[in-house]
Amino acid sequence: NAGVMQNPRHLVRRRGQEARLRCSPMKGHSHVYWYRQLPEEGLKFMVYLQKENIIDESGMPKERFSAEFPKEGPSILRIQQVVRGDSAAYFCASSPQGVEETQYFGPGTRLLVL
Amino acid sequence: GENVEQHPSTLSVQEGDSAVIKCTYSDSASNYFPWYKQELGKRPQLIIDIRSNVGEKKDQRIAVTLNKTAKHFSLHITETQPEDSAVYFCAATFRGTYKYIFGTGTRLKVLA
Repeated sequence: NAGVMQNPRHLVRRRGQEARLRCSPMKGHSHVYWYRQLPEEGLKFMVYLQKENIIDESGMPKERFSAEFPKEGPSILRIQQVVRGDSAAYFCASSPQGVEETQYFGPGTRLLVL
Repeated sequence: GENVEQHPSTLSVQEGDSAVIKCTYSDSASNYFPWYKQELGKRPQLIIDIRSNVGEKKDQRIAVTLNKTAKHFSLHITETQPEDSAVYFCAATFRGTYKYIFGTGTRLKVLA
């Protein structure tokens, strides 16, 4: 059973470009969470999604950031017009229906904005 | 507000000794408390968890205790080994949701 998959693992963007981060949850998991980790810091919640629904986006910056989890395909975290402060590791986690509180993390995407 | 405090931020122990990391949470509605181990450049890995209706849980060398009244929970690692060296994060669910609030992490170093 493959774990949570994320791609790309590393992403370099120049200021003003767009970054698209993908997350495929574990097989059978229908809940996806995105967290951001700044260097030498803990993880901060961004957004919680189920298929085709955003359940909680209280941790998402108001501008430039969006997330989706379509009926088919991976969850996408999109950052428009990136700035240097967006440089971080972005982790996706998934959980199964019925045990939503137990989250399994992917390997992360390390975004570097030049 | 939502807050999880974690102490200490760094911890060095001799191989074979025990290590204890403590976390305090602010939300009385928190009901699930996982612990994650993160090695450098790797994903956080769930190592143990505890629900609010249980006071203690043990898995081989790792145990977690929960004091709901005092709103704190602790990770105990016995007979530490060099491969236990990593950053450990505690977390708590927030207000009955599945959103995790993480502690700031403890860098554990086990000296051979």
